[in-house]
Amino acid sequence: EADIYQTPRYLVIGTGKKITLECSQTMGHDKMYWYQQDPGMELHLIHYSYGVNSTEKGDLSSESTVSRIRTEHFPLTLESARPSHTSQYLCASSDVGAANTEAFFGQGTRLTVV
Amino acid sequence: AQTVTQSQPEMSVQEAETVTLSCTYDTSESDYYLFWYKQPPSRQMILVIRQEAYKQQNATENRFSVNFQKAAKSFSLKISDSQLGDAAMYFCAYHHGTSGTYKYIFGTGTRLKVLA
Repeated sequence: EADIYQTPRYLVIGTGKKITLECSQTMGHDKMYWYQQDPGMELHLIHYSYGVNSTEKGDLSSESTVSRIRTEHFPLTLESARPSHTSQYLCASSDVGAANTEAFFGQGTRLTVV
Repeated sequence: AQTVTQSQPEMSVQEAETVTLSCTYDTSESDYYLFWYKQPPSRQMILVIRQEAYKQQNATENRFSVNFQKAAKSFSLKISDSQLGDAAMYFCAYHHGTSGTYKYIFGTGTRLKVLA
């Protein structure tokens, strides 16, 4: 079944640790996105990619980085986690075309930095 | 720049009743897509309904329908016969899928409570 997967679902980690949030999709979508969702539930775009070797920063400045080496994989990395990074991170993908213009979302990773 | 505004942070509806969630947007484009997404507590964001701007007919999906007013840049969601499972955050989103810009712009969301 075509889908988009995020791991881990929940992560509690200490300050200063390096972390990578995984996102994979099996739909062959070119476009992938990372959103940060704050406690007020508003979504903020932090990174996006239009294809392999393409990455762009989103509307909200983030200390995280992303890579897109394979079409299906779009991991997000924090080199040194801080309590201010505590949030929910949502990954999404889309394949813009005549019939399929929606974004598909993963289940999210809830990150807590202590 | 395109913006999406949801002016109702929270709405309540009695089970089996009808509720309308509001959304307005701003764009200078003529061809775009609008969406309503549902995010249940601790669960995955899913698409509820979509509307292509070039279509005048309002989209309908079972109990969910939209009132799309292109000139007014308004895109409201009507939920009929509300059910307990409809309780969730609802996000309105805009997408302009051409000209190399593929970002989705979301509103701030409306929390819908369904009262038994």
